[in-house]
Amino acid sequence: DAKTTQPPSMDCAEGRAANLPCNHSTISGNEYVYWYRQIHSQGPQYIIHGLKNNETNEMASLIITEDRKSSTLILPHATLRDTAVYYCIVVLASSNTGKLIFGQGTTLQVKP
Amino acid sequence: ETGVTQTPRHLVMGMTNKKSLKCEQHLGHNAMYWYKQSAKKPLELMFVYNFKEQTENNSVPSRFSPECPNSSHLFLHLHTLQPEDSALYLCASSQVGSGGAREQFFGPGTRLTVL
Repeated sequence: DAKTTQPPSMDCAEGRAANLPCNHSTISGNEYVYWYRQIHSQGPQYIIHGLKNNETNEMASLIITEDRKSSTLILPHATLRDTAVYYCIVVLASSNTGKLIFGQGTTLQVKP
Repeated sequence: ETGVTQTPRHLVMGMTNKKSLKCEQHLGHNAMYWYKQSAKKPLELMFVYNFKEQTENNSVPSRFSPECPNSSHLFLHLHTLQPEDSALYLCASSQVGSGGAREQFFGPGTRLTVL
């Protein structure tokens, strides 16, 4: 699976948009970009995923560049409960195991 | 009960003990996973089960022995562990099919301390 690169930490003011970048320059055409987050000492939680089009759901938006080498997860109005470690993971679309390879992720601190 | 449940939530054991971690998923998924998360380290995949068959063993020591009796239950049997095995053990499930795998749903984890 392709590797991803994320900044180790970011701060965001409560109520503002949080934009979390991810670099996946070696991604192949049949690999999805998945985002998960892990609130302290809990199990990770799925947020969103995409292949090449931008995606939006009730939690976040995912913007993927046209060359697919990077993406940005957007939390439109961050709250204190969004403080967590955010993981960007590339997954083979045809995977018969669905295994996830986690990196260090980005620790997002939402401040009042 | 919904989602993915894990028991116990906390476990303290000695190095000579035998214990088991249990995971149950109520989502109708056909794949289940064990992950290990040590302090200040990323989650590490340990085992993958697909339709009750083990499809991945990520070079895990034999003192960890998984068991998947059916697609809803997954166990991790622990025997003669070391203090460095102390970690958060997470179970997850997903639906895997001809179109690939869907997102994984994680349980709350079991916090294991080996003395």
